[in-house]
Amino acid sequence: DIQMTQSPSSLSASVGDRITITCRASQGINNYLAWFQQIPGKAPKSLIYDASTLQSGVPSKFSGSGSGTDFTLTISNLQPEDFATYYCQQYNSYPVTFGQGTKVEIK
Amino acid sequence: QVQLVQSGAEVKKPGASVKVSCKSSGYIFTTHFIHWVRQAPGLGLEWMGIMNPTGGSTTYAQKFQGRVIMTRDTSTSTVYMELSSLKSDDTAIYYCVRGSDSSWPWNYYYYIDVWGKGTTVTVSS
Repeated sequence: DIQMTQSPSSLSASVGDRITITCRASQGINNYLAWFQQIPGKAPKSLIYDASTLQSGVPSKFSGSGSGTDFTLTISNLQPEDFATYYCQQYNSYPVTFGQGTKVEIK
Repeated sequence: QVQLVQSGAEVKKPGASVKVSCKSSGYIFTTHFIHWVRQAPGLGLEWMGIMNPTGGSTTYAQKFQGRVIMTRDTSTSTVYMELSSLKSDDTAIYYCVRGSDSSWPWNYYYYIDVWGKGTTVTVSS
């Protein structure tokens, strides 16, 4: 199975900050990498697919980059509604695997 | 808009089975795969498997093979996930998730996007 490792596991940031979350795959996954946002008590929401393509309706403050094994999610101008847990997911091959999540908290 | 509406919470005893439903709307049911993903309390996301609603074919994660069955009813645009021989560590929220359009390139077989709200399954004696 492909292992997905996110860093950091958690971070504290202030409203207005720009943050970056890293996701590393244990082997190359081409660009078949997605990012999801999960607010406590809610289902995950798709933000980005193919490493850098925003889902319809997702604001441009979210951006993704990377290829091969190393990927990043950047969120600019953090707002209260952005404080959540973020997961990466590879869909390159069976079985689908997710990162362990990065919890973004208010400083 | 695309919606996946799941059945209500369940409480089961160890050794029992649970069957969760997921009704799709807002798109043509047979054009998109459906996945199931679960999340144990306070933990991360775990993929269980995928179903093609057109022919009913399935691929399950190895961990659940022999214990999970995914079926569908095309007349009601509903997919079902049945998990048997329940244990306490099956306690989790179970999500159905829409997958790629089956006409997309095969590389997108495991792509997912729209999530249902989840069904809480509690296994306790």
